[in-house]
Amino acid sequence: GDSVTQMEGPVTLSEEAFLTINCTYTATGYPSLFWYVQYPGEGLQLLLKATKADDKGSNKGFEATYRKETTSFHLEKGSVQVSDSAVYFCALRSRDRDDKIIFGKGTRLHILP
Amino acid sequence: DSGVTQTPKHLITATGQRVTLRCSPRSGDLSVYWYQQSLDQGLQFLIHYYNGEERAKGNILERFSAQQFPDLHSELNLSSLELGDSALYFCASSVAPRSSYNEQFFGPGTRLTVL
Repeated sequence: GDSVTQMEGPVTLSEEAFLTINCTYTATGYPSLFWYVQYPGEGLQLLLKATKADDKGSNKGFEATYRKETTSFHLEKGSVQVSDSAVYFCALRSRDRDDKIIFGKGTRLHILP
Repeated sequence: DSGVTQTPKHLITATGQRVTLRCSPRSGDLSVYWYQQSLDQGLQFLIHYYNGEERAKGNILERFSAQQFPDLHSELNLSSLELGDSALYFCASSVAPRSSYNEQFFGPGTRLTVL
């Protein structure tokens, strides 16, 4: 079945460092891909999305490009801030009848001032 | 604010009890999804309702059930609760299954603690 694999955390970086969180997926067809963020004590927020190959999703300085050839959707940010500390989930939305979202296990990010 | 509301925010109960979690989707959304977030299983899809009808089931235990009412709000019923049912339960909504908008909006979650 469909699945998402993302790098294990926690990831600890200094403020203004470059961030990459790797994500790869396995799916039949061409799913939509997402990054969700969960701040401490809060619910899930959609960070960015891409619905077809070569689409680039971006928001709040974060970017991810839908790479069909490598089945990847890596999250990047050029200069992280302390406020970016959160758990990040890579996810895909299946195109079958379930219409469910399949999440990766999440990557906890700590940004040090 | 996603527009999806969930009540209660926190729920503490004992093993063997039954609880009901409530979700109100965004205005105009016909699909409601329930997910469970636990430390050991991560985020898992439980069940999907569309316009009052069950559309798909995921890893939902037989002790759990859900329904969607004519006003489109949904309830997740958890019975014979066990310690392992302690988790954060999310509701999400979307316009329709496999819609061109292709986005699910998540509520803030209900944190269930079973003692």
